[in-house]
Amino acid sequence: DADVTQTPRNRITKTGKRIMLECSQTKGHDRMYWYRQDPGLGLRLIYYSFDVKDINKGEISDGYSVSRQAQAKFSLSLESAIPNQTALYFCATSDRTGGYNEQFFGPGTRLTVL
Amino acid sequence: RKEVEQDPGPFNVPEGATVAFNCTYSNSASQSFFWYRQDCRKEPKLLMSVYSSGNEDGRFTAQLNRASQYISLLIRDSKLSDSATYLCVGSGGSYIPTFGRGTSLIVHP
Repeated sequence: DADVTQTPRNRITKTGKRIMLECSQTKGHDRMYWYRQDPGLGLRLIYYSFDVKDINKGEISDGYSVSRQAQAKFSLSLESAIPNQTALYFCATSDRTGGYNEQFFGPGTRLTVL
Repeated sequence: RKEVEQDPGPFNVPEGATVAFNCTYSNSASQSFFWYRQDCRKEPKLLMSVYSSGNEDGRFTAQLNRASQYISLLIRDSKLSDSATYLCVGSGGSYIPTFGRGTSLIVHP
């Protein structure tokens, strides 16, 4: 089984709808991240969490919110989806020991907002 | 200006060729650097860490030049399976990673 899972894998929705993307991990990592990837723009950090009680905004948090329900779960919400939020969304985890450590990514969620 | 810059390519090379990518970073406080590989529509995966002394893993060599603030990735004897996007990552004192936009490599027969 995959260590980092994301649901759904694909989603098509309409402008104004509320969407939740979920991420679960079995790696036992404290740190979790949400990124979006757009063609030509690379990975951009939306939110990150270093533990259950620690939530931080990333580079592009406007229009998004997150919830860290448990060490293993980190959800990303789009309260009112808009077309420019169409992108590939990745969740990632990393260990807390020392500085930056290798990130492990989920398979991604392809979101289309019409 | 993005903190981590890469030439998007694509780099189009024949099998067996040697190819090198550079990545520049603007945050002099960056302490850790990495190269990730991403196949089309897949998640990124760590290729290798970049150490100050340089490091080699088979056909892949990574180097860091702090004075000029760039890191490099050298791939020798390119294989068809090396075709992918290579992402450069830098991490500063806050340990938050910054990804470059990626460099596309196409290895052809």
